[in-house]
Amino acid sequence: KNEVEQSPQNLTAQEGEFITINCSYSVGISALHWLQQHPGGGIVSLFMLSSGKKKHGRLIATINIQEKHSSLHITASHPRDSAVYICAVFPNTGNQFYFGTGTSLTVIP
Amino acid sequence: DVKVTQSSRYLVKRTGEKVFLECVQDMDHENMFWYRQDPGLGLRLIYFSYDVKMKEKGDIPEGYSVSREKKERFSLILESASTNQTSMYLCASSHHRGYNEQYFGPGTRLTVT
Repeated sequence: KNEVEQSPQNLTAQEGEFITINCSYSVGISALHWLQQHPGGGIVSLFMLSSGKKKHGRLIATINIQEKHSSLHITASHPRDSAVYICAVFPNTGNQFYFGTGTSLTVIP
Repeated sequence: DVKVTQSSRYLVKRTGEKVFLECVQDMDHENMFWYRQDPGLGLRLIYFSYDVKMKEKGDIPEGYSVSREKKERFSLILESASTNQTSMYLCASSHHRGYNEQYFGPGTRLTVT
C-alpha cells in the first residue's frame, strides 16, 4: 500500500514547455520532499517543503496541506530535465519518509 | 561538497551467498538509511540508523541485517541472498532525526542468480 500517489506516471514534453507533476498523499504530514533521479540511479534532493512555495532556478514546488497535495513545476523545460521525479512524505506520526513511485519525464529537443 | 559513496555500482551474486553492501558518508551525518528500489514500488526502507551501533527496522527488514560501527559507515548484509533480493539498493544520510533532507549515494544494482 502506497500512501503517496504521483501523476502522471510518464510525461513527454517539447523543449520550452511548462511542466507540472503532481503528488497526493493520504495522511497528515510534517514535510514533503521532492527528489530527482537521473538514469543510472543517483538521486538528488530538490526541495523540502512543509508549507507554501519554494523556488530554485526554473523549478517551483508548492504544497497545500489542507488538500494533501503538492506540485512540482518546471518552467522553460530543457532536455537535461529528463529524469524521474519522486515525491516523499514524512507523516506526522511516523519516523521515516514514504516515497511515491515517481514520474518519468522526457523532454524532447 | 556533500558525498555519499557506495562500495559497488553493480554486483552479481549467487543464491545463498552472503552479500555485503557498504555505504560511507563524509558529512558527519547522524542518520543513515538503506532503501531498495523496485519498478512500480518506489523506494522502500529496509533499515536505518540514527547513531553508531543503533539500528531500527524499516518496512522490509526480512532477509537483511545492518551494521554501524563507525559514524560514517553503514553496511547492509544479505545473510543468504535470494533471487527476490535482486534490486537497486540505495544508501542515504541526513542530519539529526526527523524530516531532514536526505543525501543519496549512487546506488548498487544487485543481481542474484
